[in-house]
Amino acid sequence: GNSVTQMEGPVTLSEEAFLTINCTYTATGYPSLFWYVQYPGEGLQLLLKATKADDKGSNKGFEATYRKETTSFHLEKGSVQVSDSAVYFCALRASGGSNYKLTFGKGTLLTVNP
Amino acid sequence: NAGVTQTPKFQVLKTGQSMTLQCAQDMNHEYMSWYRQDPGMGLRLIHYSVGAGITDQGEVPNGYNVSRSTTEDFPLRLLSAAPSQTSVYFCASSGVRGLDYNEQFFGPGTRLTVL
Repeated sequence: GNSVTQMEGPVTLSEEAFLTINCTYTATGYPSLFWYVQYPGEGLQLLLKATKADDKGSNKGFEATYRKETTSFHLEKGSVQVSDSAVYFCALRASGGSNYKLTFGKGTLLTVNP
Repeated sequence: NAGVTQTPKFQVLKTGQSMTLQCAQDMNHEYMSWYRQDPGMGLRLIHYSVGAGITDQGEVPNGYNVSRSTTEDFPLRLLSAAPSQTSVYFCASSGVRGLDYNEQFFGPGTRLTVL
């Protein structure tokens, strides 16, 4: 079946540090890949997405590139801010026109200190 | 647009009690789903629906029922609550074609405690 594995947290960084959160997946075909962010006490919000191999998703300074050869979709940001403190989820949606379900990783808690 | 709304925000139940978690969306989305979020487990799909009158089971459906009588509403029913159902519940929706297909919108969640 489909699965998503992301690095265990928590991750603690100082402001302006470089962030990488690793995500690898298992799925047949060409799934769509997503990063969602959950701020404290809130629901999930879509951060970025990529729907085909070599696509780069980007938003709010975050980037992730869909690497088919390594089945990865690592999240990066060059300079984190305190406001980036949140839980980050990697997710996939299997290929196929009628497949809408998302499979999530377990989430990575990021804390950014001033 | 209010987006996806959920009620209540918090609920405490005793073992064996029943209740319904409400979810509504005003984006005319065909697809709606329920997840539960538990520490260290990520989000797990409970039930989903691809349109009014159509529902199906997800990864962890036991102990939960759903129905979809309208496009807007997708309530989740706990028939006999158990402590193992203590969790945060999220409802999500998306379109099924075009630009709406690639983003699921989440509600703010319902935090449920079963004693």
